[in-house]
Amino acid sequence: DAKTTQPTSMDCAEGRAANLPCNHSTISGNEYVYWYRQIHSQGPQYIIHGLKNNETNEMASLIITEDRKSSTLILPHATLRDTAVYYCIVRANFGNEKLTFGTGTRLTIIP
Amino acid sequence: DAGVIQSPRHEVTEMGQEVTLRCKPISGHDYLFWYRQTMMRGLELLIYFNNNVPIDDSGMPEDRFSAKMPNASFSTLKIQPSEPRDSAVYFCASSIYEQYFGPGTRLTVT
Repeated sequence: DAKTTQPTSMDCAEGRAANLPCNHSTISGNEYVYWYRQIHSQGPQYIIHGLKNNETNEMASLIITEDRKSSTLILPHATLRDTAVYYCIVRANFGNEKLTFGTGTRLTIIP
Repeated sequence: DAGVIQSPRHEVTEMGQEVTLRCKPISGHDYLFWYRQTMMRGLELLIYFNNNVPIDDSGMPEDRFSAKMPNASFSTLKIQPSEPRDSAVYFCASSIYEQYFGPGTRLTVT
């Protein structure tokens, strides 16, 4: 799997947009960018994924640069419940390859 | 759907005892994954199955660990004999594409 680089921690004020960056400069053409998060004492939760186009769902938006070497997860209106560790993972979809979790970004939403 | 179900949620056992963790995947999912999470090593994949067949067990730490999936709706992870260093949270996940995780089993070996 291609490796990713994320900041260790970030803070964001409640109600503001939280922008979480991820670098994946060695991503292959067939690899997708996945985001998961893990709220304390819970199992990881799928958020969103994309290949090269920007994606949006009810939880977040994913912006992938044109060269696909980096991406940003956007939580548009952060709430206290969004405090969690956020993992950026790249993997190929075919064969449902395993996920390799790094250390992620610990996002703290400040009241 | 109830999501991925794991049991027990907490397990405390003494060193040397056998431990069995259980997982019921989401109906219709054809992949099942077992992970272990510790502060030191983070979240590690132990083994995964596709259509009940083990595909990759390279993450299983040693022969004391074994996993089975006798049918599409049930899997077990067994540790025999257990050791204090096995203390961790064990997660089961299932998927078609995106992985959905269970709540985990917190194992403490004293």
